[in-house]
Amino acid sequence: NAGVTQTPKFQVLKTGQSMTLQCAQDMNHNSMYWYRQDPGMGLRLIYYSASEGTTDKGEVPNGYNVSRLNKREFSLRLESAAPSQTSVYFCASTLKGQMNTEAFFGQGTRLTVV
Amino acid sequence: KNEVEQSPQNLTAQEGEFITINCSYSVGISALHWLQQHPGGGIVSLFMLSSGKKKHGRLIATINIQEKHSSLHITASHPRDSAVYICAVSNWDSNYQLIWGAGTKLIIKP
Repeated sequence: NAGVTQTPKFQVLKTGQSMTLQCAQDMNHNSMYWYRQDPGMGLRLIYYSASEGTTDKGEVPNGYNVSRLNKREFSLRLESAAPSQTSVYFCASTLKGQMNTEAFFGQGTRLTVV
Repeated sequence: KNEVEQSPQNLTAQEGEFITINCSYSVGISALHWLQQHPGGGIVSLFMLSSGKKKHGRLIATINIQEKHSSLHITASHPRDSAVYICAVSNWDSNYQLIWGAGTKLIIKP
């Protein structure tokens, strides 16, 4: 099915471990985004990629890195996980380079850092 | 004061009732999104509006740009409509970022 695919769905890390969250879309969208969702808060933008080859910081980029590997794939890396990074992470994409077009979201990755 | 405010925060209704969820915002926007998040966690885009009204099945979304207000209506509500409904706006100043409301948790009882 067309859409946004995130892996893994669940992950438990120890403090200091690293991991990469993968995201791929098959809708030929230009822009991709990584968000985190914490209880009682709206989604917060970590990083986004307006187009292939570009990435920019969002609201909460500290502790994260991203790679726009190609037009389809946008990965999020935690180099040294901290308990504060326990959250649900969502990848999203939009056709045009702006959020004034319909956004498509992945199913989320529930990450726990112990 | 949050830039995007939703009301109510929680809503419980009986199956068949007409549901209205409201969203008010205080910034200039290029678009407003209504999204649905089910208990399983996935987020689905329901509507993206920049003016007027849109309808999809039993869901209707309206926006009044002058009043900076949008409503999401559900007609003939059903237990499967139980979810968190989120309003988010695309700010003129930063089209790559959405400003999110806190969400409205809707429970429809059979």
